[in-house]
Amino acid sequence: AQSVTQLDSQVPVFEEAPVELRCNYSSSVSVYLFWYVQYPNQGLQLLLKYLSGSTLVESINGFEAEFNKSQTSFHLRKPSVHISDTAEYFCAVSEGIQGAQKLVFGQGTRLTINP
Amino acid sequence: NAGVTQTPKFRILKIGQSMTLQCTQDMNHNYMYWYRQDPGMGLKLIYYSVGAGITDKGEVPNGYNVSRSTTEDFPLRLELAAPSQTSVYFCASSSSPGTGSTEAFFGQGTRLTVV
Repeated sequence: AQSVTQLDSQVPVFEEAPVELRCNYSSSVSVYLFWYVQYPNQGLQLLLKYLSGSTLVESINGFEAEFNKSQTSFHLRKPSVHISDTAEYFCAVSEGIQGAQKLVFGQGTRLTINP
Repeated sequence: NAGVTQTPKFRILKIGQSMTLQCTQDMNHNYMYWYRQDPGMGLKLIYYSVGAGITDKGEVPNGYNVSRSTTEDFPLRLELAAPSQTSVYFCASSSSPGTGSTEAFFGQGTRLTVV
């Protein structure tokens, strides 16, 4: 079975500083990777995903993640964070069961932006 | 567009009581899921369904039951509530043309406390 490890449970950074949230997954022949964001008291929203093709994927709000097969990693980065990026971030890998998208989640990383 | 709707948002149960968490989606998705989220543990899959009348166990099904009589609705039932079921519950849905490559949409969550 797949597993996902997020190496940092909490990451505090100052506003406008760069940030990297780390994610490693157990290897598989084919893998689909996701980053979801959860703002306070809300459900999860898809931030970005890697399905195939270019190993660098971007979101509309400035985040990017790079799929590294040799290191089995999918780290999330942003060059300059804003207060509004304060949230919990979940890395997930997809297992196909009967065609269903069974997501296996990491433990989550709480990103706190300080002014 | 409502997406995935969960009710109630909050609930306190006494040990041994039963309740049903409701989930409905208006995106005509075939696939639906129930996850529970515990602090520091990420999300764990409880049950999933690949279509009306078809359900299957996920990673942590004990103490729960589900049914899927329509495409839209996927209720989760707790028969004998226990303190270990104190958690935040998320319902999700997806439309999967293949295997494991499609975004899952999440509801806002139900925060359940068993005392």
